[in-house]
Amino acid sequence: QSVLTQPPSASGTPGQRVTISCSGSSSNIGSNYVYWYQQVPGTAPSLLIYRNNQRPSGVPERFSGSKSGTSGSLAISGLRSEDEADYYCAAWDDSLRGVVFGGGTKLTVL
Amino acid sequence: EVQLVESGGGLVKPGGSLRLSCATSGFIFNTYTMNWVRQAPGKGLEWVSAISNSATYVYYADSVKGRFTISRDYAKNSLYLQMNSLRAEDTAIYYCARSDTSMEPFDWWGQGTLVTVSS
Repeated sequence: QSVLTQPPSASGTPGQRVTISCSGSSSNIGSNYVYWYQQVPGTAPSLLIYRNNQRPSGVPERFSGSKSGTSGSLAISGLRSEDEADYYCAAWDDSLRGVVFGGGTKLTVL
Repeated sequence: EVQLVESGGGLVKPGGSLRLSCATSGFIFNTYTMNWVRQAPGKGLEWVSAISNSATYVYYADSVKGRFTISRDYAKNSLYLQMNSLRAEDTAIYYCARSDTSMEPFDWWGQGTLVTVSS
């Protein structure tokens, strides 16, 4: 069981906007940054969003992140077929003294 | 360009040992915290261990504490993970990952190396 809670699946049609939630606690998301990763099956994870809402160079503006209290959220607008992948949230946990992950959300583009 | 290249994975029997390596390039190695993260077949991501830029701070997940040791070599710009007393549940792809600070997740990942623990 993961420390951070994500829905196991999400879906949308091309062009739609999809959001993925990540729920934590005061010891992780409540006091530290949220990061988001995309993992296409068979490949390594890659950074999508860092420090709650910052986008690395090369990541399309369609991807955005936010944080409120002990929860984070990833939004994908203008959904495309290539967005079909697994998405993970992560944060440092002050109590566990380590990085904790969500269980991952499998995004399907219908 | 940042590169993290893992090696050393393979098949090992339960109770055995293995040493993973991660060769890095494209950034100033001694300014970043380095981590190991693993992913069991068909499962999610699990952070394993971290070592701060100066090796002052070292952290381990409870699942590997006392069995795994993380280290780094500044002359070789490399990260290591010594894994002892391996168990079937340690079977996973092990990724080397870089962090900006010692208490944050990762901004760059390697391609991973597969460790299989089986008799």
